Amino acid sequence: EDQVTQSPEALRLQEGESSSLNCSYTVSGLRGLFWYRQDPGKGPEFLFTLYSAGEEKEKERLKATLTKKESFLHITAPKPEDSATYLCAVQAMNTGFQKLVFGTGTRLLVSP
Amino acid sequence: EAQVTQNPRYLITVTGKKLTVTCSQNMNHEYMSWYRQDPGLGLRQIYYSMNVEVTDKGDVPEGYKVSRKEKRNFPLILESPSPNQTSLYFCASSSNRDPRIEQYFGPGTRLTVT
Repeated sequence: EDQVTQSPEALRLQEGESSSLNCSYTVSGLRGLFWYRQDPGKGPEFLFTLYSAGEEKEKERLKATLTKKESFLHITAPKPEDSATYLCAVQAMNTGFQKLVFGTGTRLLVSP
Repeated sequence: EAQVTQNPRYLITVTGKKLTVTCSQNMNHEYMSWYRQDPGLGLRQIYYSMNVEVTDKGDVPEGYKVSRKEKRNFPLILESPSPNQTSLYFCASSSNRDPRIEQYFGPGTRLTVT
């Protein structure tokens, strides 16, 4: 069974204090790994897709990396507006077209 | 503006009273999906549709129905809601041209069944 585990569940940072969020996955053949950001009361917003081990993608203060067992979302010098829940999802080769399996997310709070 | 819309955004109802949550997208996407989000369980897929008149069950389809008569709309129907269907519901859509392409999510519908 495909599984996604995110850690930590919650993370509190001071503005400018860099850190990383972890997404560990078990899947029989990875088609893609997705990172989404979700603000309170809103739907998930797409950040990145990673396809193969060793791949990295960046967007402003966020950088996502991928290995064969996990992905990291690195947040460099975060600002309060980066506060949100970050969701990781995987798409397996042997499951239905576009089916995503989500983790439960990491709630990030960045204090000024 | 490209978007997925859902209505209503908030709904409180009673057990057994049929309801429909609408979902519409303006991006001409073939693929549409419904998820529910519960604390500690993450987003779980209820139903999905690959195109008009093509729908299939996701991981938690019990108690729900869907239809896809038009490309832009994908309503979620609860024929006889029960309290365990109290949840936050999201509709999503994407193009079929690449399975790895990102899904666009609606703003969510918070449903409470008493």
